[in-house]
Amino acid sequence: AQSVSQHNHHVILSEAASLELGCNYSYGGTVNLFWYVQYPGQHLQLLLKYFSGDPLVKGIKGFEAEFIKSKFSFNLRKPSVQWSDTAEYFCAVRGSASYDKVIFGPGTSLSVIP
Amino acid sequence: EAGVAQSPRYKIIEKRQSVAFWCNPISGHATLYWYQQILGQGPKLLIQFQNNGVVDDSQLPKDRFSAERLKGVDSTLKIQPAKLEDSAVYLCASSPAGVRAGELFFGEGSRLTVL
Repeated sequence: AQSVSQHNHHVILSEAASLELGCNYSYGGTVNLFWYVQYPGQHLQLLLKYFSGDPLVKGIKGFEAEFIKSKFSFNLRKPSVQWSDTAEYFCAVRGSASYDKVIFGPGTSLSVIP
Repeated sequence: EAGVAQSPRYKIIEKRQSVAFWCNPISGHATLYWYQQILGQGPKLLIQFQNNGVVDDSQLPKDRFSAERLKGVDSTLKIQPAKLEDSAVYLCASSPAGVRAGELFFGEGSRLTVL
């Protein structure tokens, strides 16, 4: 069965610190991978996605993620966080077939201290 | 483009009562999803529609939950009777077909409190 795990439940960083949020998935086939973000008081929105091609993908607001197939991982990174990056971050996976479902991880809460 | 619309935003009911949530997806999006998000957890898929047909409802508690998507557009999720553990945010999402399939657009969610 598909599943997604995220390494940290809650991360606290100071502004300008570097960020890496871990994500591992379990799926027996070709995958599409996503990071979604939920800012305080807002709805979930797509941060970045990997469907195929270059395993290093770039998203909005300076975020990037690297797909490492051999490790079943899709870690999220940002070289320098800002207070406005405070949010919940969710990793998600789906198969590549048309009607495959999207499964979410438990989420990581990021707090950035000014 | 207009986003995914959901209502009501908040609902408080007592256990054993019933409740219904409504969702209007982004125009042209064939796939519609209902997720349940309990506080501190990630969204859990309840049901996925492709047009007005059910693609996956394996995690839907069918003894109390039901959902329909008439005419392949709007959708309604119903809980009857509600239990305390149904307290959660119910998220509706839609996605386009083709190369962007699986890219979800979420509504604001409907927060349910069962007393």
